[in-house]
Amino acid sequence: GESVGLHLPTLSVQEGDNSIINCAYSNSASDYFIWYKQESGKGPQFIIDIRSNMDKRQGQRVTVLLNKTVKHLSLQIAATQPGDSAVYFCAENSRIQGAQKLVFGQGTRLTINP
Amino acid sequence: DTGVSQDPRHKITKRGQNVTFRCDPISEHNRLYWYRQTLGQGPEFLTYFQNEAQLEKSRLLSDRFSAERPKGSFSTLEIQRTEQGDSAMYLCASSPRRGQGFSEQFFGPGTRLTVL
Repeated sequence: GESVGLHLPTLSVQEGDNSIINCAYSNSASDYFIWYKQESGKGPQFIIDIRSNMDKRQGQRVTVLLNKTVKHLSLQIAATQPGDSAVYFCAENSRIQGAQKLVFGQGTRLTINP
Repeated sequence: DTGVSQDPRHKITKRGQNVTFRCDPISEHNRLYWYRQTLGQGPEFLTYFQNEAQLEKSRLLSDRFSAERPKGSFSTLEIQRTEQGDSAMYLCASSPRRGQGFSEQFFGPGTRLTVL
């Protein structure tokens, strides 16, 4: 069945360290993946996306890695800052599920220690 | 602020009452989506519009739920005879059309519904 899950529900890191948030998916037909950041009381905010024909994509302080062999996605945040504290969701889309439907994982709460 | 607005931000109602939420998407976006998010979970897809046409509906969207986008701009989501299980954050998102493929969805701040 379709599911997008996360290895860890919470992650605590020191300010300035790098953070790695992981995500596993089960739908081999998934061809588009997104990471969203959600702060308390706000809607999800787009961070970075990657298509299935890529295995790595970099943005500003963030990198997404995609391993289709093991159906694994990760978000790396460099030099973590207090403003990075939030819940992070991976989401996926596949043409089989419907062209526009996003399936979200449960989320990982990232906490930054000073 | 993504440019997607939702109203109201919070709604408290008694079980059995009807509620209606409004979403105003980014003006040039012709795709609009509704999701529901319960505490500690990721958003769950409810329905999707392209212009005024409702093209996808989730099995989560029971017959008590109805969504409209009459002029292809703003959208409303109505829940009739609310139940306590309807308590959740209702999120709206919009995206531009880019061919037939997927395009990035921009989310609004959500409407938090509490059914007593």
